[in-house]
Amino acid sequence: SQKIEQNSEALNIQEGKTATLTCNYTNYSPAYLQWYRQDPGRGPVFLLLIRENEKEKRKERLKVTFDTTLKQSLFHITASQPADSATYLCALAGNSGYALNFGKGTSLLVTP
Amino acid sequence: NAGVTQTPKFRVLKTGQSMTLLCAQDMNHEYMYWYRQDPGMGLRLIHYSVGEGTTAKGEVPDGYNVSRLKKQNFLLGLESAAPSQTSVYFCASSPTGSEAFFGQGTRLTVV
Repeated sequence: SQKIEQNSEALNIQEGKTATLTCNYTNYSPAYLQWYRQDPGRGPVFLLLIRENEKEKRKERLKVTFDTTLKQSLFHITASQPADSATYLCALAGNSGYALNFGKGTSLLVTP
Repeated sequence: NAGVTQTPKFRVLKTGQSMTLLCAQDMNHEYMYWYRQDPGMGLRLIHYSVGEGTTAKGEVPDGYNVSRLKKQNFLLGLESAAPSQTSVYFCASSPTGSEAFFGQGTRLTVV
């Protein structure tokens, strides 16, 4: 069966450090992979999309890598701030290309 | 531009009652999705639609029905609510099946 796995344990880091979150998947052949942010009581918000032919993508302090051989994506937040505290979700389209499925998310807490 | 609007925001149902959740988007998006989110389970796809008049089952479709009669609206129906359907429901839309825009959620309690 198809699986999208993210670290279930919360990640606690100090302000100014780099946070790295992991997304692993099985039985998907994704054309692209997405990352979202979700704050408590709110809907997820799209952050970045990376295509299968892209190794790395950046947006301000965010960086995403995508390794289709390892079936893994890494999501980095550099110079982290307390405002970055949230749950981060990885998402993939199913093999039909239509259904958008999410991992369970990793909670990030950035402390001053 | 309102984006994705879900109605209602909160609802309490008795077991066996029926209800319809409405999702409306004003971005002319082709794709629309319904998810439920439960503690420890993440977002699980219930049903989705790739265009007006089309619907398809997601990961957890049992107990739910959907309709997409108009491109801008995606309705989620519960014919006979059960306590197991207590959850937060999110609707989302996407222009091409990639970047998705989410509504603010509907918190449903079935007692």
